[in-house]
Amino acid sequence: AQTVTQSQPEMSVQEAETVTLSCTYDTSESDYYLFWYKQPPSRQMILVIRQEAYKQQNATENRFSVNFQKAAKSFSLKISDSQLGDAAMYFCAYRETSGSRLTFGEGTQLTVNP
Amino acid sequence: NAGVTQTPKFQVLKTGQSMTLQCAQDMNHNSMYWYRQDPGMGLRLIYYSASEGTTDKGEVPNGYNVSRLNKREFSLRLESAAPSQTSVYFCASSEAIGYRNQPQHFGDGTRLSIL
Repeated sequence: AQTVTQSQPEMSVQEAETVTLSCTYDTSESDYYLFWYKQPPSRQMILVIRQEAYKQQNATENRFSVNFQKAAKSFSLKISDSQLGDAAMYFCAYRETSGSRLTFGEGTQLTVNP
Repeated sequence: NAGVTQTPKFQVLKTGQSMTLQCAQDMNHNSMYWYRQDPGMGLRLIYYSASEGTTDKGEVPNGYNVSRLNKREFSLRLESAAPSQTSVYFCASSEAIGYRNQPQHFGDGTRLSIL
């Protein structure tokens, strides 16, 4: 079974600085999808960024980018120019290309200090 | 555009009571899902429906039943609530299982407490 591990339960960053959240996963599949979701105190689950495993190029969405290392099964999220509104719980998630299940990591609580 | 709507947002039950959580989506998605979120454990899949008329068990289905009423609606039922089912429940939908990299869209969650 696939597993997703986020080894940092909590992280903090100063406003305007850069922070990287770690995620590793275990799978025997060669093609799959990876996602980062953000959950602010409002409890909404908001998609931040997604990556297809067959693409070597790292995905980027404005201030958010990933470092996808397929061989190492690592999928980290970098937030540049951190803003107060970035404070939230961040979840890494995995899905097979033909499957339905999103397998989530345990989450990383990000605090942004002014 | 409401997206995924869950009702109720909060509920307190006594052990042994039954309850149905409602979920509706207006994005014409084929697939729908129910998750529970517990502290320190991320979200875990309870049941899902790949398409109208089908349902399948996820990772933690015990104590729950589901109904895919039509393409828009997917309900989750607790027949005899137990304190271990105290959690936040999320409904989600997506275009179709395995369809490209389309993400799942989530509702705002239902906080359920069982005393």
